[in-house]
Amino acid sequence: DTGVSQNPRHKITKRGQNVTFRCDPISEHNRLYWYRQTLGQGPEFLTYFQNEAQLEKSRLLSDRFSAERPKGSFSTLEIQRTEQGDSAMYLCASSTRLSNEKLFFGSGTQLSVL
Amino acid sequence: QKEVEQNSGPLSVPEGAIASLNCTYSDRGSQSFFWYRQYSGKSPELIMFIYSNGDKEDGRFTAQLNKASQYVSLLIRDSQPSDSATYLCAVNRDDKIIFGKGTRLHILP
Repeated sequence: DTGVSQNPRHKITKRGQNVTFRCDPISEHNRLYWYRQTLGQGPEFLTYFQNEAQLEKSRLLSDRFSAERPKGSFSTLEIQRTEQGDSAMYLCASSTRLSNEKLFFGSGTQLSVL
Repeated sequence: QKEVEQNSGPLSVPEGAIASLNCTYSDRGSQSFFWYRQYSGKSPELIMFIYSNGDKEDGRFTAQLNKASQYVSLLIRDSQPSDSATYLCAVNRDDKIIFGKGTRLHILP
């Protein structure tokens, strides 16, 4: 068990560019969550997967955001046409239903949009 | 009304005293409740979870749940400087985990 892994740790991009983040959950965890966190705020729910199925996506989430978990293992989060307001820490977490949704977080990807 | 509400603090508590952190939630369908600790620049880590009304103790931490009042609290006994962090309350609503904005706790040496 190597924990939840996220790459890259930091991403600096120019406004209008596309970015993609990767999350590798704990191997036996079938649920995977994406959150966004800005300074002084709690993690904001973006979306979550059970195996490869995306079960819910936040209504607040722009169509520029898309997430996949093609084989029920790792997941990617893509942001198209980035805006300065997208600058945040993007956190991935995994869990199992058997653990009653106790989340284990990765170290996050810090996105800065210039 | 936000789903999970917490006082953002900062809450300053002398070393050795009891720190009391509070949280309210809006959805009566919420099924389970969590407290996460987040150090500056780090990711949240789970420290307590509670599903049933009443108290649950684990070492220096006690979580309290009152579903009728839609209220969750965390008590930290014998507070240590290492307890200085942001404490996030979270609720499980239909398998979606929703977080409050967190309370900053500062333990005064």
